[in-house]
Parts: sequence; structure tokens; C-alpha cells
Amino acid sequence: EAGVAQSPRYKIIEKRQSVAFWCNPISGHATLYWYQQILGQGPKLLIQFQNNGVVDDSQLPKDRFSAERLKGVDSTLKIQPAKLEDSAVYLCASSPWGDTGELFFGEGSRLTVL
Amino acid sequence: GENVEQHPSTLSVQEGDSAVIKCTYSDSASNYFPWYKQELGKRPQLIIDIRSNVGEKKDQRIAVTLNKTAKHFSLHITETQPEDSAVYFCAASSHPRNAGNMLTFGGGTRLMVKP
Repeated sequence: EAGVAQSPRYKIIEKRQSVAFWCNPISGHATLYWYQQILGQGPKLLIQFQNNGVVDDSQLPKDRFSAERLKGVDSTLKIQPAKLEDSAVYLCASSPWGDTGELFFGEGSRLTVL
Repeated sequence: GENVEQHPSTLSVQEGDSAVIKCTYSDSASNYFPWYKQELGKRPQLIIDIRSNVGEKKDQRIAVTLNKTAKHFSLHITETQPEDSAVYFCAASSHPRNAGNMLTFGGGTRLMVKP
């Protein structure tokens, strides 16, 4: 079974530039999550989708971050404009519909903002 | 919202010794408590989890205990091996509208097992 795919793996941008990350969840997984993991910290939930609807985005900085999950499969997370403090690994995870167990994480996209 | 505190932040043990990592949570509605292991540069992976209707769960060398009254849970690793060296994260979750897990993670514990 293929895992959660993310791209790009690494991205370096200047502050005030924009960046987009892509995630393809495990086939059939209805729930998709984006987490931000700053170096030395635990992952922090940014947004959670159930199919193509948003379950929770209370910790998403909506003035600069946006996310969508068209057709309830792939998802993109965009940052515009980026700030220095956005440097982090952005982890995408998925889980089956209604399941309250394991989250399956991708390898992450490491963003460095200079 | 939920707040999860994790201690210690770093833990060094000799191979063969036991390791214990402790977490506390704030939201009494949380009912699912997983532990994830993250090796350097890799994705977090679930190693064990426990639900609120259970007080203890074991899987070979690892075990988790839960005290709902005190709102704390712990990870126990016995007979540690060098390959156990990693960062371990605890998490707590409620299930809004039965839509998957809304996990809040602790800050992580870097475990180093010395040969």
C-alpha cells in the first residue's frame, strides 16, 4: 500500500515570497490533516479535512495560510507571504473515514524562509 | 483547547535499562492517547495507543498507562536498545463529530540509548 506522498521535500524561499505544498493521502482515506512542526517541537495541527470539508482550522493563520482539498483527495497548503517564523516541516497525514485511530504521516516538506 | 505537557525533554539511558516518559493533558473530554516515534528526518510513526476505557496496554517491550482522574499517561520502554533512540511524542485527542482524530501533541522527548 502506498503511503502519504508529499512534495516538494525541501523548499527555500525569501521572506514575503509564496510557497505551496502538495499532499496525496493514502487511497480511500477520507480525513486529511496538515501539521506544522517547528524544529524541536511537537507537530501542531493547522487544518483538518473530512473529504473536501473543513473539520477544524482554528490554528491556521488565515491571513497568510490557505489550504484546499478539491474533490476530497489531494490537498494543497499555501503560504503567502511567508515570514521567517514559518520555517518548519509541514507534515500531511491521513486516516480512514470515521476511524479514531492511527494517523499515517507523510515524510514532510521542509520549508526554510530566509 | 487541549494542552499536552511532556517530560522529560531529553532522556539518556544505558542499553538494557528502562525508560519512562510522562505526559499530562488538560481536556477531560480527551479519550484517545497515542504515542509516536520520530527518527531523525523521518515521519512520525505510531508505536502504541490507549483509549480512555483502558488503564494499561502492553506490546512487547513497550507499555502505556493512563490515569484519567489525574489526567496523565506514561510510556514505558523496557530493555532499551540503541534502535529505540529517537524522539517520542505523546498526544491526546477528542473526536469532533466523529471526524477522525484531532491530535494535540506534546513537545517531545529525545531518548538516547547508549550501547
